[in-house]
Amino acid sequence: AQSVTQPDIHITVSEGASLELRCNYSYGATPYLFWYVQSPGQGLQLLLKYFSGDTLVQGIKGFEAEFKRSQSSFNLRKPSVHWSDAAEYFCAVGAAGRRALTFGSGTRLQVQP
Amino acid sequence: DTEVTQTPKHLVMGMTNKKSLKCEQHMGHRAMYWYKQKAKKPPELMFVYSYEKLSINESVPSRFSPECPNSSLLNLHLHALQPEDSALYLCASSQSGGDTGELFFGEGSRLTVL
Repeated sequence: AQSVTQPDIHITVSEGASLELRCNYSYGATPYLFWYVQSPGQGLQLLLKYFSGDTLVQGIKGFEAEFKRSQSSFNLRKPSVHWSDAAEYFCAVGAAGRRALTFGSGTRLQVQP
Repeated sequence: DTEVTQTPKHLVMGMTNKKSLKCEQHMGHRAMYWYKQKAKKPPELMFVYSYEKLSINESVPSRFSPECPNSSLLNLHLHALQPEDSALYLCASSQSGGDTGELFFGEGSRLTVL
């Protein structure tokens, strides 16, 4: 069965600092990988996705993620964090023909001024 | 139109009440989903409709009853709920069932059961 692990429950960074959120997945074949962001009390917004091809994926709001098959990872990065980036971030994995996405437990990002 | 619209945004109900949550999308998507999300937890899949047919029920109690009247609408009927059912209920859609591609989420309906 597919699974997703987000090792960091809570991360605090200073505004303007760089950010990396970790995501590890477990799946036998090539997965579909996603990062979603959720502000308090809101729905989930897709930041970026990886299906195939270039392993460095660009997303919205200045985010990018890199798929590393050898490490079973899909870490999310941003070079300079803004206060508005404070939110919950979910990594998710899917696969062709399978049931709906499996979500990681989430990482809460706090941004200090 | 790339929106999934959920109503109501907030709902408070007693344990004997009957209420419904509604979800609508006009993106031509053929798969629609209900997720339940408790505070500080990831979304948990409840139901999946694919081409207007129920394709997945994640062993959800019968007090939750989904309905898909047409390809654009998804309802979740609620009856005899328990306080522990209080949560954010998220609706999502995708282009077709079984492709586990991108999910488009609504803003959610915040349910409180007294």
